[in-house]
Amino acid sequence: AQKVTQAQTEISVVEKEDVTLDCVYETRDTTYYLFWYKQPPSGELVFLIRRNSFDEQNEISGRYSWNFQKSTSSFNFTITASQVVDSAVYFCALGTGRRALTFGSGTRLQVQP
Amino acid sequence: GAVVSQHPSWVICKSGTSVKIECRSLDFQATTMFWYRQFPKQSLMLMATSNEGSKATYEQGVEKDKFLINHASLTLSTLTVTSAHPEDSSFYICSARLAGGNNERFFGPGTRLTVL
Repeated sequence: AQKVTQAQTEISVVEKEDVTLDCVYETRDTTYYLFWYKQPPSGELVFLIRRNSFDEQNEISGRYSWNFQKSTSSFNFTITASQVVDSAVYFCALGTGRRALTFGSGTRLQVQP
Repeated sequence: GAVVSQHPSWVICKSGTSVKIECRSLDFQATTMFWYRQFPKQSLMLMATSNEGSKATYEQGVEKDKFLINHASLTLSTLTVTSAHPEDSSFYICSARLAGGNNERFFGPGTRLTVL
């Protein structure tokens, strides 16, 4: 069975603060993919990153960075110098083979001005 | 990047009517399409997986006679909510898997269904 856990239901920060969203996953497959999506109030999922299980290199894209740790089955997402436009629900997801993605419960991020 | 469209983007219907939602991969062929449902403030829950030319596979607890899925071509899958009731009101999202691709999946913008 596959599972994705996002323990943080809601996070509130003040603009310019750094914030880390946690994601822990479970799978028996040795080959898998991890994703992060942003869901603004409009509802449309915005793809942020895809990582495969063989690539543990951390990634940075502008103010976004991701920390993939296979040893702890975690794939955490950090937003540096948060902005009001970052306010959204963020989902971590796990994909294996040709199956559908398994989503975590999501973390609602509120960035206050 | 690959684009998946959904139509309509929102729909309001009366209880007891049927509603059809279309999911199209606009610039690629999708061997497999997935249908998710998302209730307010909840996560996406997989409803069913449809493969082109074959019957859909439904997740436990999803009524196949109520949620009819047709995947007639490599670019179109439809979800029909039959005899809709207020509890079917939800955000329906489709996802398409790129045929021959490296497990790339692309999501549609979603369809918001409100049943009165």
